[in-house]
Amino acid sequence: GGIITQTPKFLIGQEGQKLTLKCQQNFNHDTMYWYRQDSGKGLRLIYYSITENDLQKGDLSEGYDASREKKSSFSLTVTSAQKNEMAVFLCASSITGNNERLFFGHGTKLSVL
Amino acid sequence: AQSVTQPDARVTVSEGASLQLRCKYSYSGTPYLFWYVQYQRQGLQLLLKYYSGDPVVQGVNGFEAEFSKSDSSFHLRKASVHWSDSAVYFCAATLTGNTRKLIFGLGTTLQVQP
Repeated sequence: GGIITQTPKFLIGQEGQKLTLKCQQNFNHDTMYWYRQDSGKGLRLIYYSITENDLQKGDLSEGYDASREKKSSFSLTVTSAQKNEMAVFLCASSITGNNERLFFGHGTKLSVL
Repeated sequence: AQSVTQPDARVTVSEGASLQLRCKYSYSGTPYLFWYVQYQRQGLQLLLKYYSGDPVVQGVNGFEAEFSKSDSSFHLRKASVHWSDSAVYFCAATLTGNTRKLIFGLGTTLQVQP
């Protein structure tokens, strides 16, 4: 079996700060995703990538950048953290992007002071 | 617009009782349907999925779900819950099977009381 590792587990930032979240997978999956999970709002797709160096915007991409420099890693950057923002960011991967289950990491919890 | 609705934000049941978590979908066709579970401080894990065929699908840990086209529903059931089933359950759907177009419901928090 494989694993998805997200770092850091907890991230505390200041308003206006640029913050980067990292995700590594050893499934050898082609497609990787970043979701934002807010209390009462479910999961919303920020970015996904179907292969190395590919980036596709999801429904919530504004305010974020992403990077897929290697097949195994997918990073997400919050370009300017919003005051009092609090959310969990979940990284996921799948073999392709069709009819496949998603495998999720444990998440990075972001708090902005 | 396509949507997935989980009408119950929180469900509390006693250990050993039966369980049903509701999920309704709104799509122009028949979507691919999933139930995921999120245990505390963990990522989501797939419980079961429906693509076609037998409307009752079996999942892990004794969970099953039933697809109903007439009711646009995909309710999750378990005959006898255990305290370890306490978690957040998400229903999700995609019309074409394209995982990039997966839409999640808001989730139902299940609390199992001893």
